Amino acid sequence: GNSVTQMEGPVTLSEEAFLTINCTYTATGYPSLFWYVQYPGEGLQLLLKATKADDKGSNKGFEATYRKETTSFHLEKGSVQVSDSAVYFCALRTKSGGYNKLIFGAGTRLAVHP
Amino acid sequence: ETGVTQTPRHLVMGMTNKKSLKCEQHLGHNAMYWYKQSAKKPLELMFVYSLEERVENNSVPSRFSPECPNSSHLFLHLHTLQPEDSALYLCASSQEPPGGSDEQFFGPGTRLTVL
Repeated sequence: GNSVTQMEGPVTLSEEAFLTINCTYTATGYPSLFWYVQYPGEGLQLLLKATKADDKGSNKGFEATYRKETTSFHLEKGSVQVSDSAVYFCALRTKSGGYNKLIFGAGTRLAVHP
Repeated sequence: ETGVTQTPRHLVMGMTNKKSLKCEQHLGHNAMYWYKQSAKKPLELMFVYSLEERVENNSVPSRFSPECPNSSHLFLHLHTLQPEDSALYLCASSQEPPGGSDEQFFGPGTRLTVL
């Protein structure tokens, strides 16, 4: 079946450190891949996405590249800020019964300290 | 109001109570979703409505009953819940293709505590 696995958190970093959050997936076909972010007390927001192999999604300094050969979509940022502290969710989209369905990983909490 | 709104933001209920969660989307979308977010577990898709028809019911217990009276509103009716149903309940909407990007937009959630 389709599934998403992300590294367990929490990830604790100092400001300006380099961030990597690993995400791998299992899916039939070629799903679209997403990173969502959830700030404290809020719902999920789309951070970036990639719809086909070798696509790179980017937003707010975050990047992720769709790697079909390793079935991965790792999230990276060169220099994190305190305001990046949140929970990050990797997800894939499959088509099921004629509509699109998102399957999420368990989420990775990021804490950035000054 | 813009985006996806949910009310109430917090709800405490006893196991014998009946309550409802409300979701409203102001984006003109044609699909709406209920998710359950529990601690240390992936988001669980509960129900999907596409064009006001329920298209997915993900083995959810009957004590949860969804209702979608029109494309902008989605309810989750709750009765005789269990303490393990305590969670954050998230609503989302999307515009399914053709004519949409199918990105899901989420509301802020209702934090439910069952005593």
